Amino acid sequence: QSALTQPASVSGSPGQSITISCTATSSDVGDYNYVSWYQQLPGKAPKLMIYDVSNRPSGVSNRFSGSKSGNTASLTISGLQTEDEADYYCSSYASSTLVVFGGGTKLTVL
Amino acid sequence: QVQLQQSGPGLVKPSQTLSLTCAISGDSVSSNSAAWNWIRQSPSGGLEWLGRTYYQSKWYNNYAVSVKSRITVNPDTSKNQFSLQLNSVTPDDTAVYYCARGWAKHGMDVWGQGTTVTVSS
Repeated sequence: QSALTQPASVSGSPGQSITISCTATSSDVGDYNYVSWYQQLPGKAPKLMIYDVSNRPSGVSNRFSGSKSGNTASLTISGLQTEDEADYYCSSYASSTLVVFGGGTKLTVL
Repeated sequence: QVQLQQSGPGLVKPSQTLSLTCAISGDSVSSNSAAWNWIRQSPSGGLEWLGRTYYQSKWYNNYAVSVKSRITVNPDTSKNQFSLQLNSVTPDDTAVYYCARGWAKHGMDVWGQGTTVTVSS
């Protein structure tokens, strides 16, 4: 069982906003200040979308944003587009194993 | 632009050693500001970090507890690449293996293309 819990699936319509949660279930992640989010398109490698909870790498659309409240981190996608349909994974620094991943969330754009 | 190019066999027999290489372009395996990681994705989709190597005045390695007794990640400065060796593989090691640049605290910002490895006789 992963130390990070994500919903298996979320869906939304074009133009809407959706939020994917990532809840830490282990104290191994400490203050949970090092959360990253990845987008994985079918057959492709994951792509870093958010790091350090809320920072966007250069080139990532500002429609993607990250936040945290307590032990739950969130990825919000605003102005949903069909090309956002993908699997999304959260990840966190963990003191014992360095990196832990959530189980992934499949985003469907209806 | 940093790119990672993976190479290695896609089929390994049980009990043998899985060996993959990740060639780096646009950065250096000896960089003081990067760590070089191996991550795998099981057929069910879950991602698992396996290990890393990095240089900060000397070489360091860290490994996941789940594979610590079987894994080696080595840099090759002459070829600007790094490698993964996983010993005594079983069918549970069947996965897509990725190399990636990044720090545990700040995410993996560059990924290789992935190598599908099947463990089967």
